[in-house]
Amino acid sequence: AQSVTQLGSHVSVSEGALVLLRCNYSSSVPPYLFWYVQYPNQGLQLLLKYTSAATLVKGINGFEAEFKKSETSFHLTKPSAHMSDAAEYFCAVSEGAAGNKLTFGGGTRVLVKP
Amino acid sequence: DAGITQSPRHKVTETGTPVTLRCHQTENHRYMYWYRQDPGHGLRLIHYSYGVKDTDKGEVSDGYSVSRSKTEDFLLTLESATSSQTSVYFCATSSGDTDTQYFGPGTRLTVL
Repeated sequence: AQSVTQLGSHVSVSEGALVLLRCNYSSSVPPYLFWYVQYPNQGLQLLLKYTSAATLVKGINGFEAEFKKSETSFHLTKPSAHMSDAAEYFCAVSEGAAGNKLTFGGGTRVLVKP
Repeated sequence: DAGITQSPRHKVTETGTPVTLRCHQTENHRYMYWYRQDPGHGLRLIHYSYGVKDTDKGEVSDGYSVSRSKTEDFLLTLESATSSQTSVYFCATSSGDTDTQYFGPGTRLTVL
């Protein structure tokens, strides 16, 4: 069975500082990995996804994530935080391709301090 | 983004009453999903559909049923609502050609 662990339910960063959100997964097959962002009172929006191509994946809004098979990790980073990055971020894993089910981590809420 | 709407957006109901939530999509996506979101749990899959009249259970399906009579609509029914079903419910769709799921705006359900 697949599972996802996000370390830290809340992260506080200063504007302009590095954002690092940690995600570790378990999967019995090569995984597909995703990061979604949720702004208050909205649905989830895809930030980026890994589908077995390049291990460094670039997404929207300046975010990127690196797939490390040896560490079973898919951490999300952004070099310089902006106030608009305040949101909740979810890591998710799928063991299949088209239309397969997602398993989500518990989420990390990011607070950006001016 | 996929055109996904959910109705109602907010609902308050009493324990023991039936509740139906609707998800409507305009993208002709093959796959549709219902999740619930609770603090600390992320999103958990309730049921999903891989085509008209084809559905299957997810991780937390007890107390829920679904139906899909046409491609664009996926209904989630709570036969007899309980307070533990107070949650935010999200619908998602996927074309099946990629592995990206697109999410609706959510329905906040409160069971008193």
